[in-house]
Amino acid sequence: EVQLVESGGGLVKPGGSLRLSCAASGFTFNSYTMNWVRQAPGKGLEWVSSISSSSNYIYYADSVKGRFTISRDNAKNSLFLQMNSLRAEDTAIYYCARAHDSTVVVSAVDIWGQGTMVTVTS
Amino acid sequence: DIQMTQSPSSLSASVGDRVTITCRASQGISNYVAWFQQKPGKAPKSLIYTASTLQGGVPSKFSGSGSGTDFTLTISSLQPEDFATYYCQQYNSFPWTFGQGTKVEIK
Repeated sequence: EVQLVESGGGLVKPGGSLRLSCAASGFTFNSYTMNWVRQAPGKGLEWVSSISSSSNYIYYADSVKGRFTISRDNAKNSLFLQMNSLRAEDTAIYYCARAHDSTVVVSAVDIWGQGTMVTVTS
Repeated sequence: DIQMTQSPSSLSASVGDRVTITCRASQGISNYVAWFQQKPGKAPKSLIYTASTLQGGVPSKFSGSGSGTDFTLTISSLQPEDFATYYCQQYNSFPWTFGQGTKVEIK
């Protein structure tokens, strides 16, 4: 079964840091571009970052650029999001999501994790 | 950034109704549009990519169409399990952007 399981969310003060992880199983992780998408409480979906299969291509939303770093460990089938200088507006559920087409760098998302909640508050 | 304007923001419909949701891009994006369904407290579920291709396992009552700037998601016969919020998204260029969502409620 194809599965993505996020972890690492929690409560953090403004200016603090957090590292999210996403454990992948049931597919050849090193062939797929992976993504982070977030959703603030009661709000819509917001794309955060994408990383290609071999980490050659990395993209960020302007709202997180310079503060967040996406990375992956293909040997451990894991995706990460290092979040620094956190702000209240970063409060959201963070979803890990797989791109459906392993033959291209950019394609639509097909599989989503269950999400991990990040709350930034003093 | 490409803006995705979804309409309506909400709608009430009855079981068995045909429902259409529209998404308009602020510039041409070919057919690089995806649609997602989200139920309360759950992760989004992928329905459609490249504007009209169903993701695996998605029932054929869902269909998508469009190219360029105007796109639609249609549910041919609404069932109780289809009451949810639906989002469009463009992946033609970064930053990827989503529509604001359409909440489909029971009439």
